[in-house]
Amino acid sequence: DSGVTQTPKHLITATGQRVTLRCSPRSGDLSVYWYQQSLDQGLQFLIQYYNGEERAKGNILERFSAQQFPDLHSELNLSSLELGDSALYFCASSGTGTGGVREKLFFGSGTQLSVL
Amino acid sequence: SQQGEEDPQALSIQEGENATMNCSYKTSINNLQWYRQNSGRGLVHLILIRSNEREKHSGRLRVTLDTSKKSSSLLITASRAADTASYFCATDARGGSARQLTFGSGTQLTVLP
Repeated sequence: DSGVTQTPKHLITATGQRVTLRCSPRSGDLSVYWYQQSLDQGLQFLIQYYNGEERAKGNILERFSAQQFPDLHSELNLSSLELGDSALYFCASSGTGTGGVREKLFFGSGTQLSVL
Repeated sequence: SQQGEEDPQALSIQEGENATMNCSYKTSINNLQWYRQNSGRGLVHLILIRSNEREKHSGRLRVTLDTSKKSSSLLITASRAADTASYFCATDARGGSARQLTFGSGTQLTVLP
């Protein structure tokens, strides 16, 4: 168990809909990352938040948005969903300090999104 | 786009044999990490090697890094059936509190009992 909690585990929805994925990082971790994993694109970095502020942005579509709340949990909002958005969405967190603690990521078990 | 590309894409070996996976990347890095993913599960961090290191060991894992060739290799010795998983290299090109780990396409390792 990585200590990172993602809900829901599975989500089935229709095209055009909007969904929210939730992530609770490991206790004490300030950074939260969102990744999308699909067969054709592999593991793609979407966005990183650090203590409530956006710190790095990757290949995140304009239809997608994220935020990190004061209690450090994060939500990824996906809107106007398309068939191609079907993927496994991972949240990860990283800690503070030295010795590689900041650099390595702890992943949640993911949310499998199916857009029909 | 993928920063790291693993080679081979798939590898099948017998239990007890060694498994070697390679990773090539394109830009300068602060560190390179290897992760493991069991089918449909989250990734698990295995080992991190910094740009000024050439080799690192952790249990049955040995990682090498050649920054001049922009490549790394992961060796798993005395493999077990439980090592069956996908293995990904990830490069970290940024410092500070901004992290953007870029993952490769992965090597699917199958260890036959």
